[in-house]
Amino acid sequence: AQSVTQLGSHVSVSEGALVLLRCNYSSSVPPYLFWYVQYPNQGLQLLLKYTTGATLVKGINGFEAEFKKSETSFHLTKPSAHMSDAAEYFCAVTLYSGAGSYQLTFGKGTKLSVIP
Amino acid sequence: EAGVTQFPSHSVIEKGQTVTLRCDPISGHDNLYWYRRVMGKEIKFLLHFVKESKQDESGMPNNRFLAERTGGTYSTLKVQPAELEDSGVYFCASSQGLLGGSYEQYFGPGTRLTVT
Repeated sequence: AQSVTQLGSHVSVSEGALVLLRCNYSSSVPPYLFWYVQYPNQGLQLLLKYTTGATLVKGINGFEAEFKKSETSFHLTKPSAHMSDAAEYFCAVTLYSGAGSYQLTFGKGTKLSVIP
Repeated sequence: EAGVTQFPSHSVIEKGQTVTLRCDPISGHDNLYWYRRVMGKEIKFLLHFVKESKQDESGMPNNRFLAERTGGTYSTLKVQPAELEDSGVYFCASSQGLLGGSYEQYFGPGTRLTVT
């Protein structure tokens, strides 16, 4: 069965510092990988996704993630944190559930706090 | 273009009562998903519609949950009778296609259900 592990339910960084949110997955086949962000009182918004091709994926708001098959990782980074980055971040993989259906399997989420 | 909308945003009901959640997907999206996040846990898949048909309902917890999608447009999720463990945030998502699960799922803001 596929699973997603996000290390750290809460991460705090100083404004301007590097943001690193960790995600490891287990999958028996090459996965499709996603990072979503949820700002307070809003729905989940796609930050970036990896399907095929280049393993370094750039997303919105200056975020990027690198797919490392050997490490089964898809860590999210941003060089310089901004106050507006404070939110909850979710890593997810696509699971084929049979009968032509695909569902997202999520990690538990990481709440990012940015300290001024 | 309007995003995925959900109604109500919050619902507080007593154990044993019935609640109906509604989701309006992005116009033209054939695929509609329901997910649920119980406090402190992962966001978990409930079911997947393709147009008006249930493609996969393997995540539905039990027969107290009934989902419908009238005419392939909006969807409702009814909980009857509600139990305490049904409390959580219910998310709806839609996507334009499947393509092996690589299509982005667009999420609504969620309905926070509290059963007392």
